[in-house]
Amino acid sequence: GAGVSQSPSNKVTEKGKDVELRCDPISGHTALYWYRQRLGQGLEFLIYFQGNSAPDKSGLPSDRFSAERTGESVSTLTIQRTQQEDSAVYLCASSLGTTTDTQYFGPGTRLTVL
Amino acid sequence: GENVEQHPSTLSVQEGDSAVIKCTYSDSASNYFPWYKQELGKGPQLIIDIRSNVGEKKDQRIAVTLNKTAKHFSLHITETQPEDSAVYFCAASRSPDKLIFGTGTRLQVFP
Repeated sequence: GAGVSQSPSNKVTEKGKDVELRCDPISGHTALYWYRQRLGQGLEFLIYFQGNSAPDKSGLPSDRFSAERTGESVSTLTIQRTQQEDSAVYLCASSLGTTTDTQYFGPGTRLTVL
Repeated sequence: GENVEQHPSTLSVQEGDSAVIKCTYSDSASNYFPWYKQELGKGPQLIIDIRSNVGEKKDQRIAVTLNKTAKHFSLHITETQPEDSAVYFCAASRSPDKLIFGTGTRLQVFP
């Protein structure tokens, strides 16, 4: 079946510009997560949506980062006034949102800020 | 908050040998411990997971053990093959919740 999809796969932008990254979770998954992976490093949690609950934004590194989710479907991660240190792969994952859930990851969006 | 440490950072083995990767966690309330395999240019793929009510789980050549008292868990790969070469990440969470990842282990299997 269809997995988590992300777009674009690659994004090159200039410092100071805004970018939007999109995630389409697996159908029926109520939980959606965004992570950031810098080159050669592990994954850092950014934000977590669970159904209609208020999102857990505790991982967002600054107020330049924000994310939205429409119901239990698509999510967009927005980075305003991008900086070179924002360059990374941004990964989205989704899960059923139950106590036995497993997170399934998309292929990621590679963001390069020049 | 939760902190996950992972060792070693790199591991080289001969094809057919076993590989072991170890992780420790700090939050005693964590109850879910997945392992992900990440190949170059791809997203992490779940290979096996274990929950806190189980001490060991096996799936063909892959096994995971969990010691709740010591707060550590390990990934064991037997009869390694070149296609096992990848970066492996452990993670911990108070499921369902965000995953806290280890720093990764780059496994190289030489033919």
